[in-house]
Amino acid sequence: DIVMTQSPDSLAVSLGERVTINCKSSQSVSYSSTNKNYVAWYQQKPGRPPKLLIYWASTRDSGVPDRFSGSGSGTDFTLTISSLQAGDVAFYYCQQYHTSPHTFGQGTRVEIK
Amino acid sequence: EVQLVQSGAEVKKPGESLKISCKASGYSFSSYWIGWVRQMPGKGLEWMGIIYPYDSDTRYSPSFEGQVTISADESTTTAHLQWRSLQASDTAIYYCARTQMEGNAFDFWGQGTKITVSS
Repeated sequence: DIVMTQSPDSLAVSLGERVTINCKSSQSVSYSSTNKNYVAWYQQKPGRPPKLLIYWASTRDSGVPDRFSGSGSGTDFTLTISSLQAGDVAFYYCQQYHTSPHTFGQGTRVEIK
Repeated sequence: EVQLVQSGAEVKKPGESLKISCKASGYSFSSYWIGWVRQMPGKGLEWMGIIYPYDSDTRYSPSFEGQVTISADESTTTAHLQWRSLQASDTAIYYCARTQMEGNAFDFWGQGTKITVSS
C-alpha cells in the first residue's frame, strides 16, 4: 500500500493567519502520461462526513473558497489555507487515488490559537 | 442534486451478520464508482473499497478483503456493505461516497452509518 504521511498532526493558528499542511506519499502518485497528481484533500468537521476540497492536487472543488489551495507533485503535497477563518476548524486529510487501495493520510487537526 | 442516503445506526452482537445500504440519486448510478470508508471512534479515515455498478468490478483494500462484501444493485441504485460475522473491532462509522467521473476522489458523501458491536 502507498502510505500517506501528514505533518503536523495538529496545529493552532490565529484567525487570519496562514495554515500549511504537508502530505508525503511513500511512492510517486503522479503519472507522467497524464501529467496529473492523484491527490485529494478533504475537510471533516465534528459529526459530519468529509468534504472534498481539492483534487488533482491543486484543483478546487466547486464552491470551495479560494483561500484553500493545493500544490505539489510526485511525493510531496501541500494544502494551504491563506487566511484561517473560524469555520475552518476541522480535521484535514490527504488521499492518494493513484494506486488501489486509495489510502488516506492520518489527518491533521486545525484549531484556533 | 446528487444525494447518498445511508441506512440508520445499528447495534449488533459479536458474530451477527449485517448489511448496510447507501441509496444514490441525482446521477447515473451505473457510471460512477462508489466506495466505502471506515472511521473508527476518534480515528481517521480508512479506504475500504469501491465498486463500479455497471459491471460490479470491485476493488478491496487488503485490510478489508475477506472481511466485508461490497455490492451494488443497479435496479435500486443502492450500494451495500455486508459483514457475515461482526466483531467488536467493527464498531465505527461507515461512509459511502461517490467518486468523480475522472479520477477517484470522493466528491459526494453519505451521512454515515454508525455501527456498534457489543455483547
